[in-house]
Amino acid sequence: EAQVTQNPRYLITVTGKKLTVTCSQNMNHEYMSWYRQDPGLGLRQIYYSMNVEVTDKGDVPEGYKVSRKEKRNFPLILESPSPNQTSLYFCASSSASGLETQYFGPGTRLLVL
Amino acid sequence: SQELEQSPQSLIVQEGKNLTINCTSSKTLYGLYWYKQKYGEGLIFLMMLQKGGEEKSHEKITAKLDEKKQQSSLHITASQPSHAGIYLCGADIIPYKYIFGTGTRLKVLA
Repeated sequence: EAQVTQNPRYLITVTGKKLTVTCSQNMNHEYMSWYRQDPGLGLRQIYYSMNVEVTDKGDVPEGYKVSRKEKRNFPLILESPSPNQTSLYFCASSSASGLETQYFGPGTRLLVL
Repeated sequence: SQELEQSPQSLIVQEGKNLTINCTSSKTLYGLYWYKQKYGEGLIFLMMLQKGGEEKSHEKITAKLDEKKQQSSLHITASQPSHAGIYLCGADIIPYKYIFGTGTRLKVLA
């Protein structure tokens, strides 16, 4: 089954404790992206990656890091989480052959205390 | 400021009624996407529109993109409780850099 998986699905952590949210896709997609969703602000792009070792900033990259060492994986790293990073996070992937639609993961709900 | 404006923010309709959700941009869009989201869950792709004046339909949902590629509407005919959820429009103003509207919460009363 074609899918994007994220782990963990739910996470409670404390300020300053480094964490990683993993994202994996099994569709051989070149393009992957991270979003956060907040009430009243909608879905905002954090980082995206066009292919292995190629990443770029979205609209809200501050406080986040990403890496793309393998085509299927695109982890999101919060080096020093803060309460304003409490949010619902989505990973997505798509083919880069054109304006393809993105396939979204189920979401990771993060609470930073 | 939000680059994609959606209206209305929320909508409650009686089952069987038609409804329309709008999505407006101040910029010309490469592509316009409609998604549905159940509360707190991932997004499900509905339709993609690329060409000015394009219209697509799937089951009881029709989406249109205006000629200038700055406004889109999503129309649901004879709504059902299964249509309830959050509808999001998304777009790429430049390739692969996406923006989204804040969503329209739809509730359908049986």
